[in-house]
Amino acid sequence: AQKVTQAQTEISVVEKEDVTLDCVYETRDTTYYLFWYKQPPSGELVFLIRRNSFDEQNEISGRYSWNFQKSTSSFNFTITASQVVDSAVYFCAHSTGANSKLTFGKGITLSVRP
Amino acid sequence: NAGVTQTPKFQVLKTGQSMTLQCAQDMNHEYMSWYRQDPGMGLRLIHYSVGAGITDQGEVPNGYNVSRSTTEDFPLRLLSAAPSQTSVYFCASSPSDRLGSYEQYFGPGTRLTVT
Repeated sequence: AQKVTQAQTEISVVEKEDVTLDCVYETRDTTYYLFWYKQPPSGELVFLIRRNSFDEQNEISGRYSWNFQKSTSSFNFTITASQVVDSAVYFCAHSTGANSKLTFGKGITLSVRP
Repeated sequence: NAGVTQTPKFQVLKTGQSMTLQCAQDMNHEYMSWYRQDPGMGLRLIHYSVGAGITDQGEVPNGYNVSRSTTEDFPLRLLSAAPSQTSVYFCASSPSDRLGSYEQYFGPGTRLTVT
C-alpha cells in the first residue's frame, strides 16, 4: 500500500526566510505520480505541481522549487524568500494506477510571520 | 466553467439524521471522488468513481453511500449521521487514465457538524 509521510507538522518562519517542506513516500509501483497541494486559510485546495516517477529533474517555478529523489523516496518542496501569503497547509500526495486514488500526507502547516 | 461545485457549504445535523452532500462538475471528467479532512489526518478517501455507474470504496467508506448515475454528479449520502462524521468534506474530479497521472480538481468543501 502507498504511504506518504510529512514528518513536519508545523513550521514557523519569518518573512524572507527560505523553508523546505519534506515529503517521503512508500510505494511498490514503478510508475507513480507525486503531487503537492496548497490549502490557504480560505480552505480551498490548490494544485501546485505533479511529478512522475521517471522524471527526477528538479523543477523551479518562481520562488518555489521541488527536489525529487527516488533514491531516498523523497519529494521535497522549497519556498525561497517566503512571504506572508505563503502561510497555508501544504499536502504531499501520491497516485498510481487506473483508479487514480490519491494518498495524502497529513499536511504541514506553514506560518510566515512578517 | 464552474469547475467542481459542492452544496451545501455548511450543515449541522443531529445524530441519526441522514443527508446528501451534492457534488457536480462540468469538465466531463471521468474520475470523481470524496475525501474527508480531519485535523492532523490529512485528506482520506471515502469513495470514488471511475465513470458513470462505477463506484468503489476508499479508505474510510463506513457510514457513507455513493452513486454515479451521470458523469456530472457524484452525491455522498450519510445514512445515519454520527458525531465521528463531523468533518470537512471535499469532492474532486479529474480526467482518468491508467496511470493516475492527472491532478485532481477540488470543490470548495462542505463543513459538516453532527451534534
